[in-house]
Amino acid sequence: QKEVEQNSGPLSVPEGAIASLNCTYSDRVSQSFFWYRQYSGKSPELIMSIYSNGDKEDGRFTAQLNKASQYVSLLIRDSQPSDSATYLCAVIAGNEKLTFGTGTRLTIIP
Amino acid sequence: NAGVMQNPRHLVRRRGQEARLRCSPMKGHSHVYWYRQLPEEGLKFMVYLQKENIIDESGMPKERFSAEFPKEGPSILRIQQVVRGDSAAYFCASSSQGASSYEQYFGPGTRLTVT
Repeated sequence: QKEVEQNSGPLSVPEGAIASLNCTYSDRVSQSFFWYRQYSGKSPELIMSIYSNGDKEDGRFTAQLNKASQYVSLLIRDSQPSDSATYLCAVIAGNEKLTFGTGTRLTIIP
Repeated sequence: NAGVMQNPRHLVRRRGQEARLRCSPMKGHSHVYWYRQLPEEGLKFMVYLQKENIIDESGMPKERFSAEFPKEGPSILRIQQVVRGDSAAYFCASSSQGASSYEQYFGPGTRLTVT
């Protein structure tokens, strides 16, 4: 079983709609959860971090964490073509290193 | 407001040569992490360093790879006797604290091609 799992996609969403990205993790001691955005050929860019159960909102982005279900998600409201990228879920579990999922490729259709 | 800096951005080496990748953390950050991204694969942790100390090198191949973060100057990831399988993007990240609640910010990466 992979430590951090994401649906690889591609996920296609119409412009203006809500994009929903999901991630599950296997290590119950995981403490910190992050979403990174990576454009093709570029480096990962941190867009959200979340540490406690519930929702965290930042502009058009909302991260949701459910530690009992070992599940973290990212919602992107009012999706824009510029949101088209690969979204990486990353987890820190008891140490300082990030463990990444393989990413979900998101395409926003104009 | 300089972010994490890496150089070179692109590096071409022949098999058997050495590759040296440099990383300067964000201002105020003293924790450096190296990750590798192979083509069509996810990001994998390699090593975590603080000034003059290797904290965790559990992701680093046992042979040919080494890393340092001296008291002065950038962190260096060194790959000796490169092979084609070393071709990848190497990213450096930095954080202000080592505790897991602190975010890691990535540099632009060094894309290594071994011919």
